[in-house]
Amino acid sequence: KAGVTQTPRYLIKTRGQQVTLSCSPISGHRSVSWYQQTPGQGLQFLFEYFSETQRNKGNFPGRFSGRQFSNSRSEMNVSTLELGDSALYLCASSLDGGATNEKLFFGSGTQLSVL
Amino acid sequence: AQSVTQLGSHVSVSEGALVLLRCNYSSSVPPYLFWYVQYPNQGLQLLLKYTSAATLVKGINGFEAEFKKSETSFHLTKPSAHMSDAAEYFCAVRPSGSARQLTFGSGTQLTVLP
Repeated sequence: KAGVTQTPRYLIKTRGQQVTLSCSPISGHRSVSWYQQTPGQGLQFLFEYFSETQRNKGNFPGRFSGRQFSNSRSEMNVSTLELGDSALYLCASSLDGGATNEKLFFGSGTQLSVL
Repeated sequence: AQSVTQLGSHVSVSEGALVLLRCNYSSSVPPYLFWYVQYPNQGLQLLLKYTSAATLVKGINGFEAEFKKSETSFHLTKPSAHMSDAAEYFCAVRPSGSARQLTFGSGTQLTVLP
């Protein structure tokens, strides 16, 4: 069974641009979560989607948004990029995210650099 | 809000020595606790999780963790370090209730010396 796939692996953008990152969960998984990882702030939760609906959202500005498609694939979008958005963006999938001890499967991430 | 604190951002051990990575949680109610490992240029991989079924939890690659309510700790150990254990380790908590996100500690970089 294929793991969580994130594309692209690396991305370079300039300030003010927008970017879209993609995540394909493990087959059969319906919950997709996004995390931002930076050296200064560590791993921070962005949002979680289930059945095309955002179920949970972290403390990030509205420039960060996401969506989930009917096949459970998810995209996240960052508009008006700032230098501080440079980070590794990790996607994680799980069966339904409902059980609090449910295992999350992480992708390798998209490394975004904002110049 | 529930959180976890990892003591020591960097830990070095010799190959074959005991590995001890510390994690303390803040909660009056036993939370759901996890240890993840991240190898360079990769995502996170689950090592083990505390499910309240047993206080000593065994994970993959010879790692285990003991849940101690009296100390609010969930330290990760491995009896004998291997070079391949060099990675960053994250303790995480998932609050009980409706919230589904993980709150991660700041991570501990483990270096294994030959």
